[in-house]
Amino acid sequence: DGGITQSPKYLFRKEGQNVTLSCEQNLNHDAMYWYRQDPGQGLRLIYYSQIVNDFQKGDIAEGYSVSREKKESFPLTVTSAQKNPTAFYLCASSIRWDFAYEQYFGPGTRLTVT
Amino acid sequence: QKEVEQNSGPLSVPEGAIASLNCTYSDRGSQSFFWYRQYSGKSPELIMFIYSNGDKEDGRFTAQLNKASQYVSLLIRDSQPSDSATYLCAVMGGGNKLTFGTGTQLKVEL
Repeated sequence: DGGITQSPKYLFRKEGQNVTLSCEQNLNHDAMYWYRQDPGQGLRLIYYSQIVNDFQKGDIAEGYSVSREKKESFPLTVTSAQKNPTAFYLCASSIRWDFAYEQYFGPGTRLTVT
Repeated sequence: QKEVEQNSGPLSVPEGAIASLNCTYSDRGSQSFFWYRQYSGKSPELIMFIYSNGDKEDGRFTAQLNKASQYVSLLIRDSQPSDSATYLCAVMGGGNKLTFGTGTQLKVEL
């Protein structure tokens, strides 16, 4: 089956710990994205990658880091510098950056930091 | 002013009625407009997109765009309980960046 996988579905961490969220796609898409969703705030772009070995900051990149060493993978690290890390994190991909509208979303990871 | 605004709802409609969801945007240069459906606890799913002024129909869904008024809407005909979800409006502006609204919760009642 083709698609985007995110793991784990639920993640619990203590404050002060870094945590890495996995995102893998087998759609052969060039572009990948990370969003954060909080209640009542819609989706906000954290980072995006137009192509392998390249990535750009989105609107709320502070406290996050990413890598894009392989086309299929775009992991997101939530660092201890992120002040409010508890949220629903969504990974998405599209064929190319200029086909951003056809974004396919993964199932999401719900991160809780206490 | 938010870049993409939606009424959070909930919007309640009886089964079989037409549900009308609205969205306004601030960037006059926006070119492309999208509607995503998101069930509770799930990821968004693209259901409609529109680029030109006027109406675009796909099954029970109709997207309407008025660029002069910076307004886009989604009509759902013959609403079903399975349509109960949050509907996200998304607008693509310069740089191919997709900006999402906060979503409107739709409840279709039996």
